[in-house]
Amino acid sequence: AQSVTQPDIHITVSEGASLELRCNYSYGATPYLFWYVQSPGQGLQLLLKYFSGDTLVQGIKGFEAEFKRSQSSFNLRKPSVHWSDAAEYFCAVARSSNTGKLIFGQGTTLQVKP
Amino acid sequence: NAGVTQTPKFQVLKTGQSMTLQCAQDMNHNSMYWYRQDPGMGLRLIYYSASEGTTDKGEVPNGYNVSRLNKREFSLRLESAAPSQTSVYFCASSEKRGQGLLRVGYTFGSGTRLTVV
Repeated sequence: AQSVTQPDIHITVSEGASLELRCNYSYGATPYLFWYVQSPGQGLQLLLKYFSGDTLVQGIKGFEAEFKRSQSSFNLRKPSVHWSDAAEYFCAVARSSNTGKLIFGQGTTLQVKP
Repeated sequence: NAGVTQTPKFQVLKTGQSMTLQCAQDMNHNSMYWYRQDPGMGLRLIYYSASEGTTDKGEVPNGYNVSRLNKREFSLRLESAAPSQTSVYFCASSEKRGQGLLRVGYTFGSGTRLTVV
């Protein structure tokens, strides 16, 4: 069965430091991969997505993610974190291109220290 | 503003009561989804509607029913609420593009926080 694992439940980084959030997936075919961000009390906002092509994907708010098929990973990165990046981050994989159903990871909560 | 609108934003129910969560999108999307979010479990798919007139079960459909009223609206009904259904519920929509059936992304509503006591 398809699954998504985010190994880190909570991460704390200092403002200005670099960030990497891990995501591993289990999927038989070429996956469609997504990263979403959720601020407290808000809905989910799409940061970036990967369908095919260049394995390094650029997103909004200065985020990028790299698809590594050999490692079944799609890690999210940002060179310099801002206090406003504090939120919960979800990795997701599309189960089927026909229906578009998403399977979500458990989420990683990012705390940013001043 | 274009997007997905959910009502109500907050609701408290007593065990055994029924209610319907409403969702509407104005982006002319074909597909709509209902997810529930619980701490430490991410979002789990309850039901989805790939197109108007069709609905299918997701991962956690028990205790819920849905209606795709028209292309814009997709409602979620709890017939007899239970404390285990205390959660935050999100509606989402998406659209196909091209022969590869790629999705351009999913737009989420702001959620309904439901408490069953």
